[in-house]
Amino acid sequence: AQTVTQSQPEMSVQEAETVTLSCTYDTSESDYYLFWYKQPPSRQMILVIRQEAYKQQNATENRFSVNFQKAAKSFSLKISDSQLGDAAMYFCAYYGAGSYQLTFGKGTKLSVIP
Amino acid sequence: DADVTQTPRNRITKTGKRIMLECSQTKGHDRMYWYRQDPGLGLRLIYYSFDVKDINKGEISDGYSVSRQAQAKFSLSLESAIPNQTALYFCATSVGRGAGSGANVLTFGAGSRLTVL
Repeated sequence: AQTVTQSQPEMSVQEAETVTLSCTYDTSESDYYLFWYKQPPSRQMILVIRQEAYKQQNATENRFSVNFQKAAKSFSLKISDSQLGDAAMYFCAYYGAGSYQLTFGKGTKLSVIP
Repeated sequence: DADVTQTPRNRITKTGKRIMLECSQTKGHDRMYWYRQDPGLGLRLIYYSFDVKDINKGEISDGYSVSRQAQAKFSLSLESAIPNQTALYFCATSVGRGAGSGANVLTFGAGSRLTVL
Protein backbone atom coordinates (compact mmCIF):
# COMPACT_ATOMS: atom_id res chain seq x y z
CA ALA A 1 0.00 0.00 0.00
CA GLN A 2 1.11 3.50 -0.71
CA THR A 3 2.08 5.73 2.19
CA VAL A 4 2.52 9.48 2.38
CA THR A 5 4.62 11.02 5.13
CA GLN A 6 4.65 14.63 6.24
CA SER A 7 7.30 14.93 8.90
CA GLN A 8 6.50 18.48 10.04
CA PRO A 9 3.27 18.63 12.08
CA GLU A 10 3.58 22.40 12.44
CA MET A 11 5.55 25.17 10.81
CA SER A 12 5.58 28.94 10.92
CA VAL A 13 6.76 31.63 8.54
CA GLN A 14 7.03 35.38 8.63
CA GLU A 15 4.77 37.24 6.29
CA ALA A 16 6.47 37.86 2.91
CA GLU A 17 9.07 35.15 3.56
CA THR A 18 9.41 31.74 1.91
CA VAL A 19 8.59 28.41 3.50
CA THR A 20 8.99 24.83 2.33
CA LEU A 21 6.76 21.98 3.46
CA SER A 22 8.13 18.45 3.15
CA CYS A 23 6.47 15.30 1.88
CA THR A 24 7.78 11.85 1.08
CA TYR A 25 5.89 8.90 -0.32
CA ASP A 26 6.38 5.23 -0.87
CA THR A 27 5.12 3.42 -3.95
CA SER A 28 6.00 0.72 -6.42
CA GLU A 29 3.82 2.22 -9.15
CA SER A 30 5.28 4.08 -12.10
CA ASP A 31 2.14 5.99 -13.06
CA TYR A 32 0.95 8.31 -10.33
CA TYR A 33 0.10 11.88 -9.42
CA LEU A 34 0.97 14.00 -6.42
CA PHE A 35 -0.99 16.83 -4.90
CA TRP A 36 -0.91 19.50 -2.26
CA TYR A 37 -4.23 20.46 -0.71
CA LYS A 38 -4.87 23.44 1.56
CA GLN A 39 -7.45 23.38 4.33
CA PRO A 40 -8.10 26.80 5.88
CA PRO A 41 -10.17 27.23 9.06
CA SER A 42 -13.29 27.11 6.90
CA ARG A 43 -12.35 23.38 6.55
CA GLN A 44 -12.86 23.40 2.79
CA MET A 45 -10.31 21.26 0.92
CA ILE A 46 -8.67 23.38 -1.78
CA LEU A 47 -6.36 21.97 -4.43
CA VAL A 48 -3.13 23.96 -4.46
CA ILE A 49 -0.98 22.16 -7.00
CA ARG A 50 -0.76 18.91 -8.96
CA GLN A 51 2.27 17.06 -10.33
CA GLU A 52 2.29 14.22 -12.84
CA ALA A 53 5.02 11.71 -12.04
CA TYR A 54 5.99 11.33 -15.70
CA LYS A 55 6.81 15.03 -15.97
CA GLN A 56 10.29 16.09 -14.94
CA GLN A 57 9.38 19.76 -14.81
CA ASN A 58 8.23 20.94 -11.41
CA ALA A 59 4.69 22.30 -11.26
CA THR A 60 4.11 25.93 -10.32
CA GLU A 61 0.98 27.92 -9.52
CA ASN A 62 1.70 31.58 -8.86
CA ARG A 63 3.47 31.72 -5.46
CA PHE A 64 3.30 27.95 -5.02
CA SER A 65 5.85 25.59 -6.51
CA VAL A 66 7.00 22.06 -5.88
CA ASN A 67 10.34 20.30 -5.81
CA PHE A 68 9.61 16.84 -7.18
CA GLN A 69 12.46 14.37 -6.71
CA LYS A 70 11.15 11.14 -8.20
CA ALA A 71 14.10 8.93 -7.33
CA ALA A 72 14.04 10.12 -3.75
CA LYS A 73 10.22 9.95 -3.65
CA SER A 74 10.11 13.45 -2.31
CA PHE A 75 7.54 16.13 -3.11
CA SER A 76 7.99 19.41 -1.21
CA LEU A 77 5.87 22.54 -1.49
CA LYS A 78 7.45 25.98 -1.55
CA ILE A 79 5.33 29.01 -0.75
CA SER A 80 6.94 32.30 -1.72
CA ASP A 81 6.00 35.75 -0.41
CA SER A 82 3.84 34.18 2.30
CA GLN A 83 0.57 35.90 3.04
CA LEU A 84 -1.71 35.79 6.05
CA GLY A 85 -4.26 33.90 3.96
CA ASP A 86 -1.78 31.07 3.48
CA ALA A 87 -2.26 30.05 7.10
CA ALA A 88 -3.90 26.61 6.95
CA MET A 89 -3.39 22.88 7.16
CA TYR A 90 -1.56 21.55 4.14
CA PHE A 91 -1.96 17.97 3.03
CA CYS A 92 0.25 16.09 0.63
CA ALA A 93 -1.60 13.40 -1.33
CA TYR A 94 -0.80 10.57 -3.72
CA TYR A 95 -2.96 9.07 -6.46
CA GLY A 96 -1.85 5.85 -8.12
CA ALA A 97 -3.19 4.93 -11.52
CA GLY A 98 -3.52 1.34 -10.38
CA SER A 99 -5.20 2.01 -7.04
CA TYR A 100 -7.61 4.74 -8.15
CA GLN A 101 -7.48 6.17 -4.65
CA LEU A 102 -6.16 9.38 -3.16
CA THR A 103 -3.96 8.74 -0.11
CA PHE A 104 -3.23 11.64 2.21
CA GLY A 105 -0.43 12.49 4.58
CA LYS A 106 -1.23 13.57 8.13
CA GLY A 107 -0.85 17.25 7.34
CA THR A 108 1.30 20.24 8.28
CA LYS A 109 -0.22 23.19 10.08
CA LEU A 110 1.25 26.41 8.71
CA SER A 111 1.09 29.62 10.70
CA VAL A 112 1.93 32.98 9.13
CA ILE A 113 3.34 35.59 11.49
CA PRO A 114 2.53 39.22 10.66
CA ASP B 1 -24.94 26.35 -5.26
CA ALA B 2 -21.93 24.21 -4.42
CA ASP B 3 -20.86 21.50 -6.85
CA VAL B 4 -20.73 18.94 -4.02
CA THR B 5 -23.24 19.41 -1.22
CA GLN B 6 -23.08 17.62 2.10
CA THR B 7 -25.84 17.51 4.68
CA PRO B 8 -25.88 18.03 7.56
CA ARG B 9 -22.93 20.39 8.04
CA ASN B 10 -22.86 19.69 11.74
CA ARG B 11 -24.52 17.02 13.82
CA ILE B 12 -24.41 15.99 17.47
CA THR B 13 -25.82 12.60 18.33
CA LYS B 14 -25.70 9.98 21.05
CA THR B 15 -24.05 6.61 21.21
CA GLY B 16 -26.13 3.90 19.55
CA LYS B 17 -28.09 6.20 17.25
CA ARG B 18 -28.27 5.64 13.51
CA ILE B 19 -26.85 8.50 11.49
CA MET B 20 -26.89 9.21 7.78
CA LEU B 21 -24.67 11.73 6.07
CA GLU B 22 -25.78 12.68 2.58
CA CYS B 23 -23.85 13.88 -0.42
CA SER B 24 -25.13 15.16 -3.73
CA GLN B 25 -23.23 16.54 -6.70
CA THR B 26 -23.95 18.54 -9.81
CA LYS B 27 -20.59 17.86 -11.46
CA GLY B 28 -21.83 14.88 -13.45
CA HIS B 29 -18.93 12.85 -12.06
CA ASP B 30 -19.09 9.07 -11.97
CA ARG B 31 -16.84 8.54 -8.98
CA MET B 32 -17.74 9.43 -5.42
CA TYR B 33 -15.82 9.01 -2.19
CA TRP B 34 -16.28 9.30 1.56
CA TYR B 35 -13.30 10.33 3.68
CA ARG B 36 -12.91 10.79 7.40
CA GLN B 37 -10.59 13.42 8.91
CA ASP B 38 -9.22 13.17 12.44
CA PRO B 39 -6.72 15.58 13.99
CA GLY B 40 -3.19 14.36 13.40
CA LEU B 41 -4.31 11.58 11.09
CA GLY B 42 -5.14 13.36 7.85
CA LEU B 43 -7.94 12.09 5.64
CA ARG B 44 -8.66 8.39 5.40
CA LEU B 45 -10.84 6.70 2.82
CA ILE B 46 -13.98 4.99 4.10
CA TYR B 47 -15.79 3.92 0.91
CA TYR B 48 -15.69 4.77 -2.76
CA SER B 49 -17.98 4.18 -5.71
CA PHE B 50 -17.07 4.24 -9.38
CA ASP B 51 -20.67 4.04 -10.53
CA VAL B 52 -24.08 3.18 -9.13
CA LYS B 53 -23.38 -0.55 -9.14
CA ASP B 54 -19.75 -0.41 -8.08
CA ILE B 55 -19.06 0.22 -4.39
CA ASN B 56 -15.78 -0.56 -2.69
CA LYS B 57 -14.44 -0.53 0.84
CA GLY B 58 -11.66 1.83 1.68
CA GLU B 59 -9.07 1.80 4.43
CA ILE B 60 -11.47 2.19 7.38
CA SER B 61 -14.91 0.84 6.40
CA ASP B 62 -15.73 -1.01 9.64
CA GLY B 63 -18.78 0.50 11.34
CA TYR B 64 -19.92 2.28 8.18
CA SER B 65 -22.13 1.49 5.21
CA VAL B 66 -22.91 3.43 2.05
CA SER B 67 -25.60 3.68 -0.56
CA ARG B 68 -25.27 5.05 -4.09
CA GLN B 69 -28.86 5.96 -4.80
CA ALA B 70 -28.10 7.61 -8.13
CA GLN B 71 -25.12 8.89 -10.03
CA ALA B 72 -25.40 12.15 -8.15
CA LYS B 73 -26.07 10.86 -4.65
CA PHE B 74 -23.88 8.92 -2.24
CA SER B 75 -24.82 8.55 1.42
CA LEU B 76 -22.81 7.32 4.37
CA SER B 77 -24.50 5.57 7.30
CA LEU B 78 -23.40 4.82 10.81
CA GLU B 79 -25.78 2.10 11.95
CA SER B 80 -24.94 2.47 15.64
CA ALA B 81 -22.74 5.49 16.27
CA ILE B 82 -19.93 5.31 18.80
CA PRO B 83 -17.79 8.12 20.26
CA ASN B 84 -14.67 7.23 18.27
CA GLN B 85 -16.61 7.98 15.10
CA THR B 86 -16.55 11.63 16.10
CA ALA B 87 -14.80 13.24 13.15
CA LEU B 88 -15.07 15.51 10.13
CA TYR B 89 -16.45 13.64 7.13
CA PHE B 90 -15.84 14.64 3.54
CA CYS B 91 -17.57 13.59 0.37
CA ALA B 92 -15.63 13.99 -2.86
CA THR B 93 -16.18 13.33 -6.55
CA SER B 94 -14.07 12.82 -9.66
CA VAL B 95 -14.56 12.01 -13.31
CA GLY B 96 -14.74 8.36 -14.27
CA ARG B 97 -12.27 8.11 -17.10
CA GLY B 98 -8.63 7.09 -16.94
CA ALA B 99 -6.26 8.74 -14.54
CA GLY B 100 -4.66 10.82 -17.24
CA SER B 101 -7.87 12.63 -17.97
CA GLY B 102 -8.53 14.03 -14.53
CA ALA B 103 -9.96 11.11 -12.58
CA ASN B 104 -7.33 11.87 -9.97
CA VAL B 105 -8.58 15.41 -9.34
CA LEU B 106 -11.12 15.29 -6.56
CA THR B 107 -13.75 17.93 -5.84
CA PHE B 108 -14.61 18.03 -2.15
CA GLY B 109 -17.73 18.99 -0.32
CA ALA B 110 -17.59 21.37 2.63
CA GLY B 111 -17.52 18.57 5.18
CA SER B 112 -19.91 17.25 7.82
CA ARG B 113 -18.76 17.49 11.41
CA LEU B 114 -20.18 14.65 13.48
CA THR B 115 -19.97 14.48 17.25
CA VAL B 116 -21.03 11.29 19.02
CA LEU B 117 -21.59 11.68 22.76
